Amino acid sequence: GNSVTQMEGPVTLSEEAFLTINCTYTATGYPSLFWYVQYPGEGLQLLLKATKADDKGSNKGFEATYRKETTSFHLEKGSVQVSDSAVYFCALDYGGSQGNLIFGKGTKLSVKP
Amino acid sequence: NAGVTQTPKFQVLKTGQSMTLQCAQDMNHNSMYWYRQDPGMGLRLIYYSASEGTTDKGEVPNGYNVSRLNKREFSLRLESAAPSQTSVYFCASRALGNGQPQHFGDGTRLSIL
Repeated sequence: GNSVTQMEGPVTLSEEAFLTINCTYTATGYPSLFWYVQYPGEGLQLLLKATKADDKGSNKGFEATYRKETTSFHLEKGSVQVSDSAVYFCALDYGGSQGNLIFGKGTKLSVKP
Repeated sequence: NAGVTQTPKFQVLKTGQSMTLQCAQDMNHNSMYWYRQDPGMGLRLIYYSASEGTTDKGEVPNGYNVSRLNKREFSLRLESAAPSQTSVYFCASRALGNGQPQHFGDGTRLSIL
């Protein structure tokens, strides 16, 4: 079946460090892939997305490339800030008409000054 | 832009009480969703409504009912609350089309004693 596996946290980095959060998926067909971010006490916000193989989504310095050959969608940022501290969720839309998402369990990122 | 609005933001119930969580979206989206978020579990789909007039069970529907009142509103009802239903509940909506993201409300934090 369809599933998303996300690296477990928490992840603690110093400001300006490089960030990678791994996400791999299992899906039939051609899913769309998303990264969402959740700040404390808030709902999920779309961070970036990719809808087909080799697409790169980017936003606010974050990037992720849809790799069909490795079934991956790793999130990266070159220089994190304290304000990036949040929980990050990888999600998959397997393309049904309902638009249902399958979420990873989330990775908590803490950035220290 | 209001987006997805959930009420109430916080609620404490006693075991056996009933409660309706309200959700409204102003983006003219066809599909709406209810999730619960528990520590270490990510988000799990309770019910969804692919279009006005239809509702379907998600991964964890037991103990819940939903009503798609009109295109804007999708409510979640707990008929007889149980401590296991203590959670943060999120409503989301989505436009038609491949690769469309879901848009989330800020959540309802529900405690059942």
